[in-house]
Amino acid sequence: DAGITQSPRYKITETGRQVTLMCHQTWSHSYMFWYRQDLGHGLRLIYYSAAADITDKGEVPDGYVVSRSKTENFPLTLESATRSQTSVYFCASRALGGQVDTQYFGPGTRLTVL
Amino acid sequence: QQQVKQSPQSLIVQKGGISIINCAYENTAFDYFPWYQQFPGKGPALLIAIRPDVSEKKEGRFTISFNKSAKQFSLHIMDSQPGDSATYFCAAEVASNYQLIWGAGTKLIIKP
Repeated sequence: DAGITQSPRYKITETGRQVTLMCHQTWSHSYMFWYRQDLGHGLRLIYYSAAADITDKGEVPDGYVVSRSKTENFPLTLESATRSQTSVYFCASRALGGQVDTQYFGPGTRLTVL
Repeated sequence: QQQVKQSPQSLIVQKGGISIINCAYENTAFDYFPWYQQFPGKGPALLIAIRPDVSEKKEGRFTISFNKSAKQFSLHIMDSQPGDSATYFCAAEVASNYQLIWGAGTKLIIKP
């Protein structure tokens, strides 16, 4: 399917466990982003990537790790999950230039850390 | 300072009325101002956007008004419909790396 997909859509884990959230886009967009969305905070940027093998921190990177070995994939890993990381996580991608300047969002992953 | 302030937090409008959401920013390095619409259980989706070289952009019932000197921009939804009930986010894009700085969101409810 064309577009941007995230998996899993729902995840329940325990404190201290490692969790990886997957993001895949089919457009070959250069830029990819990871956000978390919490009530009252809107969307906060965790990490972003300008291209394969190029990543940078956003506003709230602590406790998260990213990698981007292929243009189309941008996994987000919580190395040791904490309850404060319970949130909805969105992945997004954006082309360089083009007629429509926008980030396209995936459907989100709802993560609960017990 | 990279911050976008959005108001109101929530808004209730009668069907057929005008919905108005306001945003203000401080950083002059922003060069693109999109509005996103988000329905429950979905990711945000671009609704309409503007660049600072124009003062207004209209697409159907949706209009962005942009005041560069005041560093403010607003979304107007004319003839508001129940299907417009959603959360709306304003954002500002950093030119150098396409980062979006987001407002906190406005939950809009259109009463039939």
